[in-house]
Amino acid sequence: DGGITQSPKYLFRKEGQNVTLSCEQNLNHDAMYWYRQDPGQGLRLIYYSQIVNDFQKGDIAEGYSVSREKKESFPLTVTSAQKNPTAFYLCASSLEGFGETQYFGPGTRLLVL
Amino acid sequence: ELKVEQNPLFLSMQEGKNYTIYCNYSTTSDRLYWYRQDPGKSLESLFVLLSNGAVKQEGRLMASLDTKARLSTLHITAAVHDLSATYFCAVGHYSGGGADGLTFGKGTHLIIQP
Repeated sequence: DGGITQSPKYLFRKEGQNVTLSCEQNLNHDAMYWYRQDPGQGLRLIYYSQIVNDFQKGDIAEGYSVSREKKESFPLTVTSAQKNPTAFYLCASSLEGFGETQYFGPGTRLLVL
Repeated sequence: ELKVEQNPLFLSMQEGKNYTIYCNYSTTSDRLYWYRQDPGKSLESLFVLLSNGAVKQEGRLMASLDTKARLSTLHITAAVHDLSATYFCAVGHYSGGGADGLTFGKGTHLIIQP
């Protein structure tokens, strides 16, 4: 089955700790994205990557970092610099072309202890 | 800065009724998306609208795009309980260098009562 997987489903972060959220896709999509959703709000773009070894900051990149070493994988690290990390994190991917749909993974809920 | 506004943000309606959700955006865009989100779940793609006057329909949902007015609508016909969800519109740009991320509205929380 083709799709996008995210792990873990729930993640707890302690004060001052860096945590990494996993995103893997087997759709052979070129582009991958990370969004953050706060309760009752829309999604906000954190980072996106159009090709391997290249990525761009989105609207709220501060306190986050990413890597794109493989086409299938786009992990997101929430650093200790992110002071309010509690949110629902969604990874998406799409083909590289005009008007291509972004497909979303199941999400990871990050909570601060 | 691109802004996307949806209204209403909350809508309670009865089964069998028709209603429209509106999505306004602030700058010229070449892609308009509609997504559905069920509570605690991820987003499901509904429609992609790419040109002025585009209209797409799936079941009881119909989406349209007016790029001159910077407005998209999602029309619900003869609503049924299964359509209860949060609906998001999102706007994107294609820079020529590749597909960029999307800017989302805050979502319309739709409850359909028997």
